[in-house]
Amino acid sequence: GAVVSQHPSWVICKSGTSVKIECRSLDFQATTMFWYRQFPKQSLMLMATSNEGSKATYEQGVEKDKFLINHASLTLSTLTVTSAHPEDSSFYICSAPWGGWGTEAFFGQGTRLTVV
Amino acid sequence: GESVGLHLPTLSVQEGDNSIINCAYSNSASDYFIWYKQESGKGPQFIIDIRSNMDKRQGQRVTVLLNKTVKHLSLQIAATQPGDSAVYFCAVQYSGNTPLVFGKGTRLSVIA
Repeated sequence: GAVVSQHPSWVICKSGTSVKIECRSLDFQATTMFWYRQFPKQSLMLMATSNEGSKATYEQGVEKDKFLINHASLTLSTLTVTSAHPEDSSFYICSAPWGGWGTEAFFGQGTRLTVV
Repeated sequence: GESVGLHLPTLSVQEGDNSIINCAYSNSASDYFIWYKQESGKGPQFIIDIRSNMDKRQGQRVTVLLNKTVKHLSLQIAATQPGDSAVYFCAVQYSGNTPLVFGKGTRLSVIA
């Protein structure tokens, strides 16, 4: 099946610094990718929809200036957590539908972000 | 909008028994449904999907049933194995350009 690779798998950073997370579709092109956040023992919450060549669409309550999304190519989307704070510590996961909307979405391995 | 819920937060089954995980959704126009398995510290893994024009679909040891009348989705796992222990999420997509909405998840524990 299609593969989505996410990097890094975990990262620890100091408060106030920025962290970049990469999401790559390895064997297919993804014009759309999704970014989710998952807190312990909770479900996945959609943060934003990343669109290749255009601005991301953010869900209500997600700060677009804090969570910068760039989808510069058909195989790569990046999420940058700017000026990270301890409350940003979470599990961040990306996904991409292999055939566009309405097709099964493959997920990356997730990135565990810990802000100290 | 769409909201999705799970009937049971935890489920414990004996190894070899069948497991049934349920999910309810609210939007009758929902078009696409997926079941995912998530192990600790990993991203969700696709198990099986079904579209609204079907009411049953089978995979290897898994069956998804869709009842559009009552807006209910279930995942059946046959001969449950210890490796099936994980959290299972249903995800629903409303017809059109909308992303998946995930249910709260059910933790399946298999007792050897």
